[in-house]
Amino acid sequence: DTGVSQNPRHKITKRGQNVTFRCDPISEHNRLYWYRQTLGQGPEFLTYFQNEAQLEKSRLLSDRFSAERPKGSFSTLEIQRTEQGDSAMYLCASSSLAGNYEQYFGPGTRLTVT
Amino acid sequence: GQNIDQPTEMTATEGAIVQINCTYQTSGFNGLFWYQQHAGEAPTFLSYNVLDGLEEKGRFSSFLSRSKGYSYLLLKELQMKDSASYLCAVPPNTDKLIFGTGTRLQVFP
Repeated sequence: DTGVSQNPRHKITKRGQNVTFRCDPISEHNRLYWYRQTLGQGPEFLTYFQNEAQLEKSRLLSDRFSAERPKGSFSTLEIQRTEQGDSAMYLCASSSLAGNYEQYFGPGTRLTVT
Repeated sequence: GQNIDQPTEMTATEGAIVQINCTYQTSGFNGLFWYQQHAGEAPTFLSYNVLDGLEEKGRFSSFLSRSKGYSYLLLKELQMKDSASYLCAVPPNTDKLIFGTGTRLQVFP
């Protein structure tokens, strides 16, 4: 399968714990995006990378959130000291610079903070 | 600011035609996307319009008017499997998509 993959698919954690999610983009795509989606809403942009460089971070991304893409391939999103308000679906997408801005989404990681 | 509006919910009958509207006001414009999202799943690409007019792809068509900041998605010969959320999205520049809240479509027999 050559699509975008995300792990884990589901994560349940207690408030105050740290969690880390992984995204593997389509192999030839050099842009990688993270979005957050809550029930009944569209995805909200969090951050994006071009190769290993993080080029933009949303104001939604508090200092408890950090994302990396160390070798320009897979990416991780870490949330420290989770809060109940962090419960959401975290979506990863990738795109090619040569494309028409179309982004291909992974299946998402559903986070539940209890 | 960035603003994309679409109706929250719509209902339709199997076999019918439904039109989902989207209006946008964004700082930039590099085309407009429609994505389909079934409950609990990732958004999947339906269409991309960058020029004014109608783009047809099977049962789905998408229309764009840049001067009016308006688009619609037209679904014909509705099937039960078309029950999903339909997301309108605009890339104001090259880095991110701004999404509307999505329109939840329910198709009844």
